[in-house]
Amino acid sequence: DGGITQSPKYLFRKEGQNVTLSCEQNLNHDAMYWYRQDPGQGLRLIYYSQIVNDFQKGDIAEGYSVSREKKESFPLTVTSAQKNPTAFYLCASSKGQGYGEQYFGPGTRLTVT
Amino acid sequence: GEDVEQSLFLSVREGDSSVINCTYTDSSSTYLYWYKQEPGAGLQLLTYIFSNMDMKQDQRLTVLLNKKDKHLSLRIADTQTGDSAIYFCAERSMDSNYQLIWGAGTKLIIKP
Repeated sequence: DGGITQSPKYLFRKEGQNVTLSCEQNLNHDAMYWYRQDPGQGLRLIYYSQIVNDFQKGDIAEGYSVSREKKESFPLTVTSAQKNPTAFYLCASSKGQGYGEQYFGPGTRLTVT
Repeated sequence: GEDVEQSLFLSVREGDSSVINCTYTDSSSTYLYWYKQEPGAGLQLLTYIFSNMDMKQDQRLTVLLNKKDKHLSLRIADTQTGDSAIYFCAERSMDSNYQLIWGAGTKLIIKP
């Protein structure tokens, strides 16, 4: 079955620690995205990547970093510089840049205390 | 900048029709989308409409687009308990480099 996996489902960290969220897809999609979701707000784009070894900042990239070394993988690191990291993080992919048909993973809920 | 607005909540009785509304500001929108998010899960694409269409029907779902008023709606016929979810409207715009602009989501609550 093709799809997107995110791990772990729940993640707990202490303030001051960096944490990396995993995202893998086997849909052969070129484009991948990271979104942050907070209650009562729409999805906010953190980073996106149109192709391997290339990525662009989204609307709220400060305090986050990504890499795209393989087509299938797009991990997100939440650094200690992110002021309010507790949120639900969603990874998505699409055939290419500009395709609005995005496929989402199940999400990772990060809690930082 | 571009903006997409939705009401945060809608409550309907089981068996009735649900109508979820969305307004957007960007006149260069090319496609508009409806996504569904069940509790604690990712989003799934429900349907979409091209900006030169007025209506699209897919089984129990009907999408209406009023381009003049920049108003999009999703009608779910014969609403069931399994339709309980958050419904997101999104637009794909040339002005935002074809990234999706998302509404805040409408939580659909089904009353028995």
